[in-house]
Amino acid sequence: EPEVTQTPSHQVTQMGQEVILRCVPISNHLYFYWYRQILGQKVEFLVSFYNNEISEKSEIFDDQFSVERPDGSNFTLKIRSTKLEDSAMYFCASSGGTSQYNEQFFGPGTRLTVL
Amino acid sequence: DAKTTQPNSMESNEEEPVHLPCNHSTISGTDYIHWYRQLPSQGPEYVIHGLTSNVNNRMASLAIAEDRKSSTLILHRATLRDAAVYYCILRHPRNTGNQFYFGTGTSLTVIP
Repeated sequence: EPEVTQTPSHQVTQMGQEVILRCVPISNHLYFYWYRQILGQKVEFLVSFYNNEISEKSEIFDDQFSVERPDGSNFTLKIRSTKLEDSAMYFCASSGGTSQYNEQFFGPGTRLTVL
Repeated sequence: DAKTTQPNSMESNEEEPVHLPCNHSTISGTDYIHWYRQLPSQGPEYVIHGLTSNVNNRMASLAIAEDRKSSTLILHRATLRDAAVYYCILRHPRNTGNQFYFGTGTSLTVIP
């Protein structure tokens, strides 16, 4: 069964450093998303991406964040200058369409720890 | 997207049916009802969705009230693997980015 993969599974970084989280969505999917979950809290939407541009973003997704689809398979989330409060689990998701009934397939997540 | 209300936690005995309720009194006529679950240390996974009629799939059943102001996710025989947080989410057609807004969900404990 096709699945979304994410690397690395755990990333430790120093405050102020740049990090790039990588995702490989399901191959025939065209719509991509990033969510995050701070430990013990709910899953929060960050950004949705289609046709090489951002469709929607939350207020969490400020100028420190960017997304990119550098080639035909990867989808990346970059945090330019990490803060302690960026420590969270980051989930990538993809879907085959944007109809209300289209399910999203989530990856296993990358745990980001900012020291 | 319209708000949903779920109990914080529920318990079930293994191999018994589980009924997970969700209230969505402000649902609009075009909102789809989605259920996702999150197993411990994993990403959310799709369970089921519906609009007006009851739905069945291999994982669960979704019973939707006639006025659509509430719905119930039914796991027919709970297993230990079903222990997870279950999220009831509404998605509106104005939701241009197609994203989901997760609430706090219901944490289901399955007792052996």
